[in-house]
This record gives sequence, structure tokens and C-alpha cells, in this order.
Amino acid sequence: DAEITQSPRHKITETGRQVTLACHQTWNHNNMFWYRQDLGHGLRLIHYSYGVQDTNKGEVSDGYSVSRSNTEDLPLTLESAASSQTSVYFCASSGGQGAYTQYFGPGTRLTVL
Amino acid sequence: AQSVTQLGSHVSVSEGALVLLRCNYSSSVPPYLFWYVQYPNQGLQLLLKYTTGATLVKGINGFEAEFKKSETSFHLTKPSAHMSDAAEYFCAVRASFGNEKLTFGTGTRLTIIP
Repeated sequence: DAEITQSPRHKITETGRQVTLACHQTWNHNNMFWYRQDLGHGLRLIHYSYGVQDTNKGEVSDGYSVSRSNTEDLPLTLESAASSQTSVYFCASSGGQGAYTQYFGPGTRLTVL
Repeated sequence: AQSVTQLGSHVSVSEGALVLLRCNYSSSVPPYLFWYVQYPNQGLQLLLKYTTGATLVKGINGFEAEFKKSETSFHLTKPSAHMSDAAEYFCAVRASFGNEKLTFGTGTRLTIIP
């Protein structure tokens, strides 16, 4: 069955370190998204991609970057981790062509000390 | 810009009682609307969606939602709550035409009282 996976599931890091969260999907979807989930804020879009070599900023992109070198993967990098980036991060993908339905990974819980 | 308002961040119902979770939206284009469910320590799963056509949409686990354009609402209901329904529920609307982004509400945590 097609799926979307994230790794690691839990990560503890220190302020100032670079951190990369992996997202891999086997749906063969063109569209991929990164969200963060914080109490009281729901899901907020960080970055998204509509295909290989395409990346776009979402509403909370400061301090984050992504790159898309193939269809399956969209890694999220925190350039210099800050305590404000402690959150649960979700990756999602969608098939495009007006389908809009997004399929989510299990999430990565990141703690920045 | 599109937006979603979920009334009530926490809702408690007794087992066997009606579940009603409220969602109102604002959209400058014909809305596509979604309800997702999130169980503890898991990702979001699609419950149901409305795109076009029939305004009463049935989803998984006995849930349904009705699109009411005049009220800009898409409330989620289930006739009889089960303990396994305890979770967080998110309403979402597509951002715009030709744009695959979704805008999510802040979520409603549903607690089932035995």
C-alpha cells in the first residue's frame, strides 16, 4: 500500500544546531507539504512543493528550508534550531489535478533545548 | 483569503449521544471542504470531503457533514458517539482555484464520557 513516512519520529536537539526532518511518500504525488502543529494554532503551513525543483514558502517559513530533488522526498531543514521551533511537524502529499485531498504522515515531535 | 472557524476547542458528549462539531468557512471561490480526524500521536486522516454535488456527505466511522452555502457552514455530525471517537477533529477549506493548499481550522478536541 502507498504511504507517507517521516523520520525520525522523535528528535531532541540543541539551540543553534541544524536539523533535517525526512519525509518520503510512495503515492507518486506531485504535491508535498510541511506543517507544524502547535496548541491553539492548528496546522500552519511551512513550505510546499508542486513538483521536482519547485518549492514555495508557506505562512511560517522563517528559519526553515526545503529542497525537492525527486518526487518521493521533501526534507525539511531547520537552519539554526530555536526553542520556538519546538513543535510537532507533519508532512503531507496530494495527487494534484484538483484532487486537494492531502494524505498525512505520522509526524515528528521535535524538541529544541 | 480563505479561513475556517471551528466553534469550541473542546467538546464533551456522553457515549451514545449525538456528536456535533461546528465549522464555518470563508471563501472567495466555490469551497471544497474537508474534515480530518487525528488520534493521539498519529497523523491526520481524512473523514470526509465536499467538492460539488450532493450537499450531505457521508464519511468513515458513521460521520457525516452537510454543506450549507447560505450559512457558510460544514458541521460534522454522528448520531451516536462511541468511545473510539475521542480524538481531535480539523475542518479545512481549499485555499483557491488552481492552488492545492488547504487552510485548516484550529481543531476541536472531542471527549466521550462513559
